[in-house]
Amino acid sequence: DTAVSQTPKYLVTQMGNDKSIKCEQNLGHDTMYWYKQDSKKFLKIMFSYNNKELIINETVPNRFSPKSPDKAHLNLHINSLELGDSAVYFCASAGQGGDEQFFGPGTRLTVL
Amino acid sequence: AQSVTQLDSHVSVSEGTPVLLRCNYSSSYSPSLFWYVQHPNKGLQLLLKYTSAATLVKGINGFEAEFKKSETSFHLTKPSAHMSDAAEYFCVVSTTSGTYKYIFGTGTRLKVLA
Repeated sequence: DTAVSQTPKYLVTQMGNDKSIKCEQNLGHDTMYWYKQDSKKFLKIMFSYNNKELIINETVPNRFSPKSPDKAHLNLHINSLELGDSAVYFCASAGQGGDEQFFGPGTRLTVL
Repeated sequence: AQSVTQLDSHVSVSEGTPVLLRCNYSSSYSPSLFWYVQHPNKGLQLLLKYTSAATLVKGINGFEAEFKKSETSFHLTKPSAHMSDAAEYFCVVSTTSGTYKYIFGTGTRLKVLA
């Protein structure tokens, strides 16, 4: 069973479009995260939710809007896509009181 | 504020020789430290973690790391490299003031030569 899953795995789209990436975890964790990995492999946190509540928002443009319908899901919606949004986006989750994070397989977003 | 510095962006070793990937951290309190590995076009896999228990931490696939507070280091080692170890390695420090947040190093690309 996949612990943290993301869909889609690949996403190719045109500038200006709106797209969503979905993340689900079946670990029973309370906290979920979105990270962005740029072309130089650098990973940076974007958002974190704890039990559906936003707890970390790292100066991400407001074109990015995370949504957590329940604590097992954290989706990322991106409006008006720009070339610079091309990256690999990773979802992760962590249990209560634990600081080990479990990562999904990543979604490679390419904006043309 | 916490930070982590990976001292080498690229490391090349011959198969069967030791591996050393260097990481220094900065933290105002006792940190949690991790090493993750990312194989090409794959996700992140936890190799090992330090959370204030034993200073020598053993991980998967023969990797280990030693936490040295006096040197603020958490270097990753393996006695004998295998071709399958070729990957990108990330040193990570976790913030523990209320909200856990990972701060990643810039990564070290390990190349293993036959």
